[in-house]
Amino acid sequence: EAGVAQSPRYKIIEKRQSVAFWCNPISGHATLYWYQQILGQGPKLLIQFQNNGVVDDSQLPKDRFSAERLKGVDSTLKIQPAKLEDSAVYLCASSFGLYSNQPQHFGDGTRLSIL
Amino acid sequence: AQTVTQSQPEMSVQEAETVTLSCTYDTSESDYYLFWYKQPPSRQMILVIRQEAYKQQNATENRFSVNFQKAAKSFSLKISDSQLGDAAMYFCAYRLGGFKTIFGAGTRLFVKA
Repeated sequence: EAGVAQSPRYKIIEKRQSVAFWCNPISGHATLYWYQQILGQGPKLLIQFQNNGVVDDSQLPKDRFSAERLKGVDSTLKIQPAKLEDSAVYLCASSFGLYSNQPQHFGDGTRLSIL
Repeated sequence: AQTVTQSQPEMSVQEAETVTLSCTYDTSESDYYLFWYKQPPSRQMILVIRQEAYKQQNATENRFSVNFQKAAKSFSLKISDSQLGDAAMYFCAYRLGGFKTIFGAGTRLFVKA
């Protein structure tokens, strides 16, 4: 089966600019996750979707970050305006459902650098 | 709040030898799941092994096994017959119900030929 697809793979922008990332989960996976992984740290969940509904966005900085999954399939994560501390790898993952025992499948991530 | 701690920022092992990566976690729950993920330089996180907290038997996947000590809240990963391809960042993770997965800071494993 095809894996989780993410684009772009790399992005460099200046602070205060905006940026968007795209994710296409594995076919049939209802749950989609966006993680932020700062260098030297483990991934931190930003937002979790179940189909097109938000399950958890408690750690999403809503003043600058937004995400949507309008048709319950692919998703976009946007940052506007970007800050220096947003430099990180943004990982998208998907799983078949919400149950704890179902593993998450990760994409290759987007490395974002803020100048 | 749940936390996951990996106290070893880096570990090194000789090819064909065995290495154990440590992980402790903090929770007041009794039913949860624990995972070890591998992240090579390509960045894609890959599931290595998972353990259900209600199971006493330690999970095993080929050369990978865990030592799950529920009372001590410890979940270590043992890699036997280490191979060069095992070199990567390893993350321990905890998940409760359908809620978010909490990851540790990771352990970088070096494998020497």
